[in-house]
Amino acid sequence: DTAVSQTPKYLVTQMGNDKSIKCEQNLGHDTMYWYKQDSKKFLKIMFSYNNKELIINETVPNRFSPKSPDKAHLNLHINSLELGDSAVYFCASSPGLGNYEQYFGPGTRLTVT
Amino acid sequence: AQSVTQLDSQVPVFEEAPVELRCNYSSSVSVYLFWYVQYPNQGLQLLLKYLSGSTLVKGINGFEAEFNKSQTSFHLRKPSVHISDTAEYFCAVGWGAQKLVFGQGTRLTINP
Repeated sequence: DTAVSQTPKYLVTQMGNDKSIKCEQNLGHDTMYWYKQDSKKFLKIMFSYNNKELIINETVPNRFSPKSPDKAHLNLHINSLELGDSAVYFCASSPGLGNYEQYFGPGTRLTVT
Repeated sequence: AQSVTQLDSQVPVFEEAPVELRCNYSSSVSVYLFWYVQYPNQGLQLLLKYLSGSTLVKGINGFEAEFNKSQTSFHLRKPSVHISDTAEYFCAVGWGAQKLVFGQGTRLTINP
């Protein structure tokens, strides 16, 4: 049983395309996150949602749009992909606001050519 | 704003040797501190956490860390490492609006 799952694991696409990454957690958590890990392994939060409500939006370009249809899912849609978007994107979840212990998915490696 | 500094980007050690990975944070308020491990091509896994109470925290895989408020440090230690401990290790601090702020990571390489 995978606690936090992401699809796809690998995504190779061309500049200008639009793509989505899906995330699901079966932990019953209220809060979900998207992180970006760059080529130097630096991890930076992008968004967080609590019970489908946007909590954190960390100055991410508006080409990135998260969507949370329910509290178990948080998808990330990226429009007009750029070379600089190439990275590993991690989804994570935590029990709720005030609980910082986060559980991470396996990551999606996005390569923009 | 919170920041986390991992003082070593790479730490090579021999198998069965002890290791310490250093982490310092900046904060003027109470913090929650974490160490995560990332094995190659995998997501992050929680090693241990400090929320309150005893300053010596034990985690999985024989790791432990000590919270030192006066030195604003949360160094990770293991008395005897194994080849399987080769991974990237991240220190993180929980702060403000549900954010985890991560350090730059330390690559631990175990040599036979």
